[in-house]
Amino acid sequence: DQQVKQNSPSLSVQEGRISILNCDYTNSMFDYFLWYKKYPAEGPTFLISISSIKDKNEDGRFTVFLNKSAKHLSLHIVPSQPGDSAVYFCAASVGNYGQNFVFGPGTRLSVLP
Amino acid sequence: DVKVTQSSRYLVKRTGEKVFLECVQDMDHENMFWYRQDPGLGLRLIYFSYDVKMKEKGDIPEGYSVSREKKERFSLILESASTNQTSMYLCASSLDSTPLHFGNGTRLTVT
Repeated sequence: DQQVKQNSPSLSVQEGRISILNCDYTNSMFDYFLWYKKYPAEGPTFLISISSIKDKNEDGRFTVFLNKSAKHLSLHIVPSQPGDSAVYFCAASVGNYGQNFVFGPGTRLSVLP
Repeated sequence: DVKVTQSSRYLVKRTGEKVFLECVQDMDHENMFWYRQDPGLGLRLIYFSYDVKMKEKGDIPEGYSVSREKKERFSLILESASTNQTSMYLCASSLDSTPLHFGNGTRLTVT
């Protein structure tokens, strides 16, 4: 059973609007969460992270929200740009150790001009 | 800027062949990882290494082995390739408690 779920395989958003990507997890021991972005023919690149002591982390147009009681995190992109079109992977970990990262299946975001 | 280089972008191999996937990083990272990416399954950890000659199994090590003779190089070995090992393979490196830096991947097809 997948410990990290991204229930929307794809999402389309108009340029300039908000994109909201969602991620749910089942393991209450997870205390560190990350988002990676992947363009075709490239490896994933780190986008933003959050530890369980926070409920929000912001970096420019990207904000990650963590709701521990619901075991849910979301990535908000405001405003969305065509260059944001990519596959977004959510990952969760016990401690910030690479070998512990559990990745979700990904959500493909398309930002339409 | 960290660079993780995977030697092949595409590989086509036959069932039963021995396959080597090579990965080199240029930032003196202690930790190196091999993942495979399959549709609907995300990235799954095959093996990782936290030092030269050290290796640990990940979540799906069956059918794979690894080698790390030098700090910058981490090789994934398929001893006898099978069709269910057709996948995208991603190498990554990191320091402790820092984000993973990924290579661009090797798409392996086993026929």
